[in-house]
Amino acid sequence: TQLLEQSPQFLSIQEGENLTVYCNSSSVFSSLQWYRQEPGEGPVLLVTVVTGGEVKKLKRLTFQFGDARKDSSLHITAAQPGDTGLYLCAGLLYTGRRALTFGSGTRLQVQP
Amino acid sequence: GAGVSQSPSNKVTEKGKDVELRCDPISGHTALYWYRQRLGQGLEFLIYFQGNSAPDKSGLPSDRFSAERTGESVSTLTIQRTQQEDSAVYLCASSLVSDTQYFGPGTRLTVL
Repeated sequence: TQLLEQSPQFLSIQEGENLTVYCNSSSVFSSLQWYRQEPGEGPVLLVTVVTGGEVKKLKRLTFQFGDARKDSSLHITAAQPGDTGLYLCAGLLYTGRRALTFGSGTRLQVQP
Repeated sequence: GAGVSQSPSNKVTEKGKDVELRCDPISGHTALYWYRQRLGQGLEFLIYFQGNSAPDKSGLPSDRFSAERTGESVSTLTIQRTQQEDSAVYLCASSLVSDTQYFGPGTRLTVL
């Protein structure tokens, strides 16, 4: 059983469309992060959210942390081919363990 | 370089052989993590080193897996008697305590 469920697993859209990726759990996280990973590379951090209800914007990307700190979403406005990649959510549990718990990822392809 | 480096980038081995994977963290980073990523999946935590504290080995899948770290520098992940299910990308990350984890490019391990 995956502790962090991501949906959808795959998404293929046209340039200019909007999309939302979801990350859900029954566990509470002290913080949650979103990463983007390209083939042959390690994940690169996009954002960290730490407060329930927090919304962060990074250009065309909007990240939200749920009020109960169990879920998060990533919304991309006017997607571009350069947004193509694997998007991963990852959280830190309140157990004190410093290692991240990762979701299974959402593979996004933006067609020109 | 300034980032996390890993070697080799690719490793092909025969079932039953032992392999060693190396990670050079960012200089000054006291924490070092190993994760495993199966094809198209998220990352699974393997082991975490923090300074001179006992490592958190709770993610190691079997006693065939072990890792060492010399002080706050290089780490080696060893897989003994490799099995086909060990085929994956092995990612290393480093961080300052309670800070962003920076990932290396990974080692792609293929067990034939």
